[in-house]
Amino acid sequence: NAGVTQTPKFQVLKTGQSMTLQCAQDMNHEYMSWYRQDPGMGLRLIHYSVGAGITDQGEVPNGYNVSRSTTEDFPLRLLSAAPSQTSVYFCASSPRTSGSRGDEQFFGPGTRLTVL
Amino acid sequence: RKEVEQDPGPFNVPEGATVAFNCTYSNSASQSFFWYRQDCRKEPKLLMSVYSSGNEDGRFTAQLNRASQYISLLIRDSKLSDSATYLCVVNGWGYQKVTFGTGTKLQVIP
Repeated sequence: NAGVTQTPKFQVLKTGQSMTLQCAQDMNHEYMSWYRQDPGMGLRLIHYSVGAGITDQGEVPNGYNVSRSTTEDFPLRLLSAAPSQTSVYFCASSPRTSGSRGDEQFFGPGTRLTVL
Repeated sequence: RKEVEQDPGPFNVPEGATVAFNCTYSNSASQSFFWYRQDCRKEPKLLMSVYSSGNEDGRFTAQLNRASQYISLLIRDSKLSDSATYLCVVNGWGYQKVTFGTGTKLQVIP
């Protein structure tokens, strides 16, 4: 199993450009999520999905869209990039759908995004 | 007050030393607790879950104190390879209630 994969590893955008960060997992996990990690802030949840066709907002959803058409893929779209979106983005997946308890999350290697 | 707080460190300890980190959380209704390890410029990886009764995995011991609302991680006989940032994770009800601490950096020195 490849686990959780993310592309690209690095990206530089200009303000106003749009792009999609790709995330895929081959573990048949129902739950997937996107985080951003900034110095001194910890990982913050952007969007999450508890199954194909179901997505919801996390703590910092503004400026980002997601969709979940298959169990495997969970792309994150930046609509109009801003310098404040310069960050490291991690995608994660987890095997359970029960929302009452957390379970181990498996993270992808991350995408380092710079917006000029 | 932050939902989850950790001392950022760095904790510089010699090889073989015992080191302990604490993590405090503000929501008394929190349901589950974890320690993740993150190496420089890498993704976080689960180190261990934290159970009410405490749990041990080799040189690592995790404990939960619900009354005082903190969890702890004890590392015995530190190795150079233990150098990393240790993230505390606290989960509430629902998947959106996952809160990461900012991490504690450990540097084990020869």
